[in-house]
Amino acid sequence: QLQLHESGPGLVKPSETLSLTCSVAGDSVSSSSYYWGWIRQSPGKGLEWIGSIHYSGSTYYNPSLKSRVTISIDTAKNQFSLRLRSVSAADTTVYYCARHYTTGGSFGGWFDPWGQGTLVTVSS
Amino acid sequence: DIVLTQSPDSLAVSLGERATINCKSSQSVFYSSNNKNYLAWYQQKPGQPPKVVIYWASTREYGVPDRFSGSGSGTDFTLTISSLQAEDVAVYYCQQYYSSPQTFGQGTKVEV
Repeated sequence: QLQLHESGPGLVKPSETLSLTCSVAGDSVSSSSYYWGWIRQSPGKGLEWIGSIHYSGSTYYNPSLKSRVTISIDTAKNQFSLRLRSVSAADTTVYYCARHYTTGGSFGGWFDPWGQGTLVTVSS
Repeated sequence: DIVLTQSPDSLAVSLGERATINCKSSQSVFYSSNNKNYLAWYQQKPGQPPKVVIYWASTREYGVPDRFSGSGSGTDFTLTISSLQAEDVAVYYCQQYYSSPQTFGQGTKVEV
């Protein structure tokens, strides 16, 4: 059974970089069939897709965050990671990783399953 | 970006009764070349991450009870729970994957 688990600091200072890792068990991030994605959820903005990566290194990001986001993948560790630069209080929220089904071409896909999520607070 | 607007924001349904949630898209998510609607529905129970229940607008995820059904096409979609059970109390979200960025509706809270 596929399981994903987010890890990383729960507190980040303003203007610094948020770094999270998603560890995958029960499937390989090297599977060509899927992307692996990050989504965040806040009471104010709801669910927001951040970006996704394929084991080949192909990435695509939400344009609203693209200038600050890097997603990378480590096939040897079966993990993928999120880096969000220049954070502010607006980035305080719960971050999820998930397997991202994709449907070909320029289309996206649904997310299943999701990790349990990790709360990141941006504060000095 | 495609905006998804769900209605209502919340609803209270008696056990055994039908629950209906609507999702309206700001533009069509139907692709005529393959006759598919690029829309999914998720269920999020308190303290848990979202879980997909429907994709391709009407395909039930494996293991999802058949009381859950999705319908609609183009810009208007519906998630129906035919006979609400206590374990169905949750917030439900729609998501489009027709165009990037993929976007979600604001959620509908279903209560008993």
